Amino acid sequence: QEKVQQSPESLIVPEGAMSSLNCTFSNSASQSIWWYQQHPGKGPEALISIFSNGNKKEGRLTVYLNRASLHVSLHIRDSQPSDSAVYLCAPDSGYNKLTFGKGTVLLVSP
Amino acid sequence: EAGVTQSPRYAVLQEGQAVSFWCDPISGHDTLYWYQQPRDQGPQLLVYFRDEAVIDNSQLPSDRFSAVRPKGTNSTLKIQSAKQGDTATYLCASSFPGNTEVFFGKGTRLTVV
Repeated sequence: QEKVQQSPESLIVPEGAMSSLNCTFSNSASQSIWWYQQHPGKGPEALISIFSNGNKKEGRLTVYLNRASLHVSLHIRDSQPSDSAVYLCAPDSGYNKLTFGKGTVLLVSP
Repeated sequence: EAGVTQSPRYAVLQEGQAVSFWCDPISGHDTLYWYQQPRDQGPQLLVYFRDEAVIDNSQLPSDRFSAVRPKGTNSTLKIQSAKQGDTATYLCASSFPGNTEVFFGKGTRLTVV
């Protein structure tokens, strides 16, 4: 069964700084790796996904994937207080079957 | 477009009681998922359907849990004889054929006392 580890458990950054979140997964055959954002009392919402080695950029978000090391990272440029949330890493093992990590709690201080 | 709808939003039970959760997926989404999210944990997949067929229910905790999707649209997750360890948020999600993004509802927060 897929194992997903996220670090750090929590992160506090000042407004305008870069936030960097990490995730390692165990199944080298995983399809896309997804990042979800979850605010209190809400369901997770998809932010960005990556399939191929390398990086992918969408707006303030950049994600890096290294399949050899089974590592993916998410970087949020110019972090805003509204970015404060739990960030969940979720490899897709096929047929949209997601396995979630425990999450990283991000707090962006004004 | 309406999102995934779940009801109720909250439920409080005593141990031994039964409860049912209802989910209405996004129209046209053939795959429906139920996840359990304990406090301060990530969501854990319980069961998922493609149309009315169960594809994988191997992670349902015990025979106290059951899920159905009889017409391939709405779904119900039921817990018989709830235990304190069942306290969690239960999330329903759905996805469209060929599109890998999974859309989540707001969840039902269950507290068993």
